[in-house]
Amino acid sequence: GQNIDQPTEMTATEGAIVQINCTYQTSGFNGLFWYQQHAGEAPTFLSYNVLDGLEEKGRFSSFLSRSKGYSYLLLKELQMKDSAYYLCAVRDLGYGGATNKLIFGTGTLLAVQP
Amino acid sequence: EPEVTQTPSHQVTQMGQEVILRCVPISNHLYFYWYRQILGQKVEFLVSFYNNEISEKSEIFDDQFSVERPDGSNFTLKIRSTKLEDSAMYFCASSDPGLGTGELFFGEGSRLTVL
Repeated sequence: GQNIDQPTEMTATEGAIVQINCTYQTSGFNGLFWYQQHAGEAPTFLSYNVLDGLEEKGRFSSFLSRSKGYSYLLLKELQMKDSAYYLCAVRDLGYGGATNKLIFGTGTLLAVQP
Repeated sequence: EPEVTQTPSHQVTQMGQEVILRCVPISNHLYFYWYRQILGQKVEFLVSFYNNEISEKSEIFDDQFSVERPDGSNFTLKIRSTKLEDSAMYFCASSDPGLGTGELFFGEGSRLTVL
C-alpha cells in the first residue's frame, strides 16, 4: 500500500528555522518531492531528492534517507509569506515508466508568526 | 515561463449533469495528469495519460470519468453524471521526466461545486 505521513500543523516564528518531516512506505519509489501550496492555489515545486543526502536551494533544503523511508524539508530565515501547506510527494514510475505519477501526503500547515 | 492553464476556474452544476474540465498542458511535456483535492483533504491522483492513452488510473477514476486529448494541445476531464461527492478542486498537471527533475507542473485548478 501507499502511506505518506506528515505532521498536520506546525507553528514557527519569523526569522527562525523549521523542519517538516515526512515518512513514507510506498510500493514504488523514484524520488521524493516537496511542494508548497497556499490555500486555494496550485501546488508549486520546491525541491527534489532521489539519492540520500541533503539538497540545498536558497532558504530551502531537503534531506532524504531511502533506507529509513524518511525525508525532511528545512526552511531557514522564515518569512510571513512562508505560511502555507507543505506537501511531501513520492514519485512512482509505474510499469515501464509509463506513469511517472506523484503520490501526495496529507500536507503540513505551517503558520509563521511575527 | 511556460504554464499549465485550466478552464473554467469555477463551475457550479446540478447533480447528474455532465461536466467537462479543460486543460492546456505545457507544450513539450509528454505526461498529463488529473488530480483532485476535496476541501481540507490531500491531493489525490486520478489518472495519468501518456502516448495518447491512459497509463494509470486510481480507484476514484470510475466509469463516470473519462479523459481525452482531442487536438494535440487540450487535455480534458469529463464527469458524465456528477455526484455531490465530486465537489472538489481539480488540478491538471504535466511533466517530462527527461527534463530536469521531471517535476509535475500544476495548473491553477478548476473548482467544481455540485448542488
